[in-house]
Amino acid sequence: TQLLEQSPQFLSIQEGENLTVYCNSSSVFSSLQWYRQEPGEGPVLLVTVVTGGEVKKLKRLTFQFGDARKDSSLHITAAQPGDTGLYLCAGALRGSGGGADGLTFGKGTHLIIQP
Amino acid sequence: KAGVTQTPRYLIKTRGQQVTLSCSPISGHRSVSWYQQTPGQGLQFLFEYFSETQRNKGNFPGRFSGRQFSNSRSEMNVSTLELGDSALYLCASSLGNGELFFGEGSRLTVL
Repeated sequence: TQLLEQSPQFLSIQEGENLTVYCNSSSVFSSLQWYRQEPGEGPVLLVTVVTGGEVKKLKRLTFQFGDARKDSSLHITAAQPGDTGLYLCAGALRGSGGGADGLTFGKGTHLIIQP
Repeated sequence: KAGVTQTPRYLIKTRGQQVTLSCSPISGHRSVSWYQQTPGQGLQFLFEYFSETQRNKGNFPGRFSGRQFSNSRSEMNVSTLELGDSALYLCASSLGNGELFFGEGSRLTVL
């Protein structure tokens, strides 16, 4: 059983559309991160959210951490082809001490933005 | 500043062989962790090193091993390669706060 479930698994939309991808769990996390991975590259950290209900914006990307710290969402406004990639969420379980072993990754959402 | 550097980027091995992958972390980062990424399983934690000591190990067989040197550079080794070891191996460095900076990965194909 995957600790972090990401949905949808695949998403292909036209440039200019809006979209939301989700990261859900039954576990409580002390923090949650979002990464984007482009083909042939390693994941790049986009944001870390630590407070239940927290909303962070990064240009056209809006990240939200659920009130109960069990889920998160990523909303992209006016998607562009440069947003194409694999979006991964990673949660740090409470009490994990900040080490890499305490991070659990979801399998990701493959996003394609067509021109 | 320079990012995380992994070598080699691509390699092809045959079953039964062994492989060593190298990772140079961001300057000043003493934590280096390794992940295996496959389409079916996603990113799976292999192990983490901090100041030359293995801090934690994921659920992988003993064929997977690693080490870290005094300059924080790290290597991982996989012995007796199996077809299922074909994957992208990612190294990440960190200041120890859980925020990871990944390299571009080493793509291993086992034939």
